This record gives sequence, structure tokens and C-alpha cells, in this order.
Amino acid sequence: QVLLVESGGGEVQPGGSLRLSCAASGLTFRNYGMHWVRHAPGKGLEWVAYIQYDGGKKFYADSVQDRFTISRDNSKNMLSLQMNSLRTEDTAVYYCTRDLLENNCRYFDLWGRGTVVTVSS
Amino acid sequence: DIQMTQSPSSLSASVGDRVIITCRASQSISGSLIWYQQKPGKAPKLLIYSTSSLQSGVPSRFRGSGSGTDFTLTISSLQPEDFATYYCQQGYSTPYSFGQGTKVEIK
Repeated sequence: QVLLVESGGGEVQPGGSLRLSCAASGLTFRNYGMHWVRHAPGKGLEWVAYIQYDGGKKFYADSVQDRFTISRDNSKNMLSLQMNSLRTEDTAVYYCTRDLLENNCRYFDLWGRGTVVTVSS
Repeated sequence: DIQMTQSPSSLSASVGDRVIITCRASQSISGSLIWYQQKPGKAPKLLIYSTSSLQSGVPSRFRGSGSGTDFTLTISSLQPEDFATYYCQQGYSTPYSFGQGTKVEIK
């Protein structure tokens, strides 16, 4: 069974840090690019970050640039998101997703169940 | 950055109705348009990619069309399990932006 399982969410004060993890199983993790996507309460989905299959390329949303760092460990089938200088507007459910590319269209076919991050004083 | 605008933001429909949701990109994205379905408390589910390619296991009542900047998701005969929020997303360039969502509710 192909699975992505996020962990590491929790409640943190503004300015604090959290590290999210996503454990992949049932797939050849090193072959796929990966993304983080978040869903804030009462809002729509927001793409957060992407990492190439080998970690060679990384892209970030402007809203998290210079605060969040995406990384991966292909030997452990693990994706991570280090979140620093957290703001209340970072409160959301964070999903890791698998990247596929077809006909120059990049999309997310596999999603984890998400982990909840709450930034509050 | 490419902005994605969906309409309507919500709609009420009955089982068996034909439902059409539109998505407009602020610039041409060729055919790089994706549709997802999300139910409360659940992760989004991929329905359609590359404008009109149906993801494996998705019922054929879901159909995507369009090109350039204007795209459509059609549900030919709404079923009880289709009541959810639908999002479009452009997969053309970073940041990979989503529409604001269309909530399909029971009439």
C-alpha cells in the first residue's frame, strides 16, 4: 500500500519553530519530487514548497521563503519541512504530496492525511 | 505569479443535476490545469490532470475541458458522494497556485 504519513505538528508561539516529517512507504521515494501544501482554516489550499527527487532543486512560496526549508533523506524515505519564525498565518493543516509531471503539467497524485500546525500566543 | 479564479464560490444542486465549475488563469497555462475534490477533514483527492485526463479510479461523470486561460469541470449527474469542495490548480509554473474553491452543497 502506498502511503504518506505526516508528523511533527503541534502548537507553537509566534516566532517559534517546528519540524514536520513525512514518511513514505510502498513507493520508490527517491524517484519522485515532493511538495508541501497547506490548508488554513476557512481558506483554500496553498502550495508551500517543492523538492526535486534528488534534492537538487527546491522552490518555495513567497509567503514562506527564507523561513521554511524543505529537505529529504532518500535513504530513510523521509521528507521534512523545517519551519522557523512562525507566524499566526502559518496555522494550517500541512500535507505532503507526491509530484508527477505529464505534458508539462505538474500535479499531486498522492496525499498524506496531514498534520496540524497551530501558531498562537 | 499566476492567479487562479474559480466560479461560483458555492452552489446548491440536487442529485442527478449537471454541475459546471469554471476556473480562469490570469495568464495562459497551456493545458496545465488540475482539479481536486476535498471533503471536510480529508486530504484533497486528484480528479483530473492536464485539463482533461481522468485520474485512475475517478468516475467518468467527471469531465474537464478548456485551454489557455479558461477551464471547466463538469459533473454530468451529481451523486451523493460528490458533495464536496472542488479546487483547480495550475501546474504550469511556480508558485503552483490554487483557485479559492467551489463548495457543492445539497439543494
